[in-house]
Amino acid sequence: AQKVTQAQTEISVVEKEDVTLDCVYETRDTTYYLFWYKQPPSGELVFLIRRNSFDEQNEISGRYSWNFQKSTSSFNFTITASQVVDSAVYFCASIGGSEKLVFGKGTKLTVNP
Amino acid sequence: DVKVTQSSRYLVKRTGEKVFLECVQDMDHENMFWYRQDPGLGLRLIYFSYDVKMKEKGDIPEGYSVSREKKERFSLILESASTNQTSMYLCASSGQTFYNEQFFGPGTRLTVL
Repeated sequence: AQKVTQAQTEISVVEKEDVTLDCVYETRDTTYYLFWYKQPPSGELVFLIRRNSFDEQNEISGRYSWNFQKSTSSFNFTITASQVVDSAVYFCASIGGSEKLVFGKGTKLTVNP
Repeated sequence: DVKVTQSSRYLVKRTGEKVFLECVQDMDHENMFWYRQDPGLGLRLIYFSYDVKMKEKGDIPEGYSVSREKKERFSLILESASTNQTSMYLCASSGQTFYNEQFFGPGTRLTVL
């Protein structure tokens, strides 16, 4: 069964700081997918990225970047030059052989002005 | 853009009432999901459906049922609401395979008195 651990429950930074959100996954599947979602205070989960197990290339999208390392079973998310609008709960998730997407417990990020 | 809508943002019901939560998606997605989100417990899958009239139990189906009569609509039913069903309910949909990203609705915050 899939398992996703987000060890950081809450993180607080000051605007313009870089911040990394950790995600560690467990799986027995050869083929699996990893996701990150953002949940702002409004409540709706917003899809950020999907990665499959065969693609370890890092991804950059504006101020967001993702580092996928199979050797450490990690899929970490970095926000560069954080902004107040980045304040949200961020979820890492994984899906493998079953139909169920497994979520981590989430990391609440607060960016202070 | 994918749009997933839920019938209510906030709902207050009394213990023992039958409650219907409606979810509609406009992207012709095959798969639809119901989650509940509770502090400290993250997102937990209640039921999902991969086709019209098809349904599968998630991790916490007890006390709930679902209905999918049309492809775009997935209803969650609380047959006899109880106070421990007070929660945030999130609906999601995804296309084709279960590996695709899920798109979420804005959520319904249900309070059972």
